Amino acid sequence: DQQVKQNSPSLSVQEGRISILNCDYTNSMFDYFLWYKKYPAEGPTFLISISSIKDKNEDGRFTVFLNKSAKHLSLHIVPSQPGDSAVYFCAASDKGGAGSYQLTFGKGTKLSVIP
Amino acid sequence: NAGVTQTPKFRVLKTGQSMTLLCAQDMNHEYMYWYRQDPGMGLRLIHYSVGEGTTAKGEVPDGYNVSRLKKQNFLLGLESAAPSQTSVYFCASSYSVTLYNEQFFGPGTRLTVL
Repeated sequence: DQQVKQNSPSLSVQEGRISILNCDYTNSMFDYFLWYKKYPAEGPTFLISISSIKDKNEDGRFTVFLNKSAKHLSLHIVPSQPGDSAVYFCAASDKGGAGSYQLTFGKGTKLSVIP
Repeated sequence: NAGVTQTPKFRVLKTGQSMTLLCAQDMNHEYMYWYRQDPGMGLRLIHYSVGEGTTAKGEVPDGYNVSRLKKQNFLLGLESAAPSQTSVYFCASSYSVTLYNEQFFGPGTRLTVL
């Protein structure tokens, strides 16, 4: 049972345009959401996050929107740049055993920004 | 700071062989994690540790063992490797158990089991 879903395996966007990556979740106990970016042959790196008490968080070209009622979040990249081409993972956090906030990851969306 | 490092970067095993993957972090993080990533899949948690001397099971723990004898190191062991364990393994660490659970990842170990 997939608790975090990224239904688009890939996305192509022209340089300078907006990239919108979507993520849906099913577990209402998730209270924090993160986006990670991954280049080939490297580990994922943290990009941006949002608490469940907020509906928007912005960091430069990156904005994450959270719609709790729809259990949906999205990552907007404006303007998109060729260096943004990577796999983007949506992750959700809840309090697991022994006090550890475990992350549940989606399958990822491969973004290609075309020059 | 080197951050999170993983040894080795690549390894090929035969079915039934054993090996240990080493993860080291120099950020004084309490929490450490082992994930595996398979094609078309997200990262799945194998085991994690909330401090030196502690370990706990994640989503897919079968066939793996872990140890956290020192705060900075987290070892993942395969006692009898199987082809189903062919994967890319990522180690991660985080500072503490807070709501802001930013995890820092290593570069990964690509393991092939023949």
